[in-house]
Amino acid sequence: NAGVTQTPKFQVLKTGQSMTLQCAQDMNHEYMSWYRQDPGMGLRLIHYSVGAGITDQGEVPNGYNVSRSTTEDFPLRLLSAAPSQTSVYFCASSPMRGGQGEQYFGPGTRLTVT
Amino acid sequence: RKEVEQDPGPFNVPEGATVAFNCTYSNSASQSFFWYRQDCRKEPKLLMSVYSSGNEDGRFTAQLNRASQYISLLIRDSKLSDSATYLCVVIPGYSSASKIIFGSGTRLSIRP
Repeated sequence: NAGVTQTPKFQVLKTGQSMTLQCAQDMNHEYMSWYRQDPGMGLRLIHYSVGAGITDQGEVPNGYNVSRSTTEDFPLRLLSAAPSQTSVYFCASSPMRGGQGEQYFGPGTRLTVT
Repeated sequence: RKEVEQDPGPFNVPEGATVAFNCTYSNSASQSFFWYRQDCRKEPKLLMSVYSSGNEDGRFTAQLNRASQYISLLIRDSKLSDSATYLCVVIPGYSSASKIIFGSGTRLSIRP
């Protein structure tokens, strides 16, 4: 099992550009989520999904879209990048539908918006 | 008051020492609790779950105090490799998937 994979590892965007961060898991987990982590701060939940076709907003959803067309994939789209979105983005999955169990994290995407 | 609060540290202790830190939470209906470890520039990884009866895994002991609404992590005989940031996670309830809350982390540095 590869676990949770994320691409790209690093990305630099200009203000206003859009892009998609990819996340995939091969553990057949129903629950997947996206977090951002800023220096000195904890992880903040952006969006989450409890199964294919179902997504919902977390704590900081503005400026981001998600979709869940398959169990395996959960891409995060930045609609119009802003410097405030400079952060490290982690994707996670959990075997429990509501995400109550252990979270398995991908290696992260380090995004800089200039 | 933040929903989950941790002392950010850093805790700087000598190798072999015992160190403990707490994580307080505000929602008394919280059901699940975990400790994660995060190394610099890496993803968080589960260290241990926290059960009502407390649990121990080698040098690590986690406890839950529902009355005072905090969880604790005790590390005995600390090793250089224990240097990391420790994140607590609180999950309010089985129907509240949106509210998985991470603390901002406690930095631990073990010196030789």
